[in-house]
Amino acid sequence: EDQVTQSPEALRLQEGESSSLNCSYTVSGLRGLFWYRQDPGKGPEFLFTLYSAGEEKEKERLKATLTKKESFLHITAPKPEDSATYLCAVSEAGYQKVTFGTGTKLQVIP
Amino acid sequence: NAGVTQTPKFQVLKTGQSMTLQCAQDMNHEYMSWYRQDPGMGLRLIHYSVGAGITDQGEVPNGYNVSRSTTEDFPLRLLSAAPSQTSVYFCASSSQGATNEKLFFGSGTQLSVL
Repeated sequence: EDQVTQSPEALRLQEGESSSLNCSYTVSGLRGLFWYRQDPGKGPEFLFTLYSAGEEKEKERLKATLTKKESFLHITAPKPEDSATYLCAVSEAGYQKVTFGTGTKLQVIP
Repeated sequence: NAGVTQTPKFQVLKTGQSMTLQCAQDMNHEYMSWYRQDPGMGLRLIHYSVGAGITDQGEVPNGYNVSRSTTEDFPLRLLSAAPSQTSVYFCASSSQGATNEKLFFGSGTQLSVL
């Protein structure tokens, strides 16, 4: 059974204080690892897809990396508008489903 | 640029009542799915569809029915609501299935069953 574990559950940062969110996963054959951002009262919004170990993707202050067992979402010099819940998800080859983690709630304080 | 549209946004039901959550997408996506989101449990897949006329069960299908008569619409039916179905429901779609394509989510339906 696919498992996705995210840590920490919550993270409070000062504006400009860089940090990383962790997503560890267990899946038989990884097809893709996804990062989403979810703001309160809204649906998740897609950020990145990573397909193989060693792959990295960047978008503004966010950088996602992937190893064979985990993914990191690095946040560089965060701003208050980066405050949100960040969700990690995995898909397995041959299955039409995506398994989500419980998320990391990020708060960036001015 | 409507994307994925869910209605209603909020709903309160009494135990035993039935209702249908509506989901429509205007991106001509073949894949559509329903998730529920509960505190501490993340998003869990209820049902999904890979095209018109084709549906399948996800992780937590009990108590829910779906059908897919058109590419655009994927309604979720609660036949006899129970308090355990109190949750936030999200509909999502993608162009080529769930495995390697990003999902587009609706804004959600907050359902309370009393």
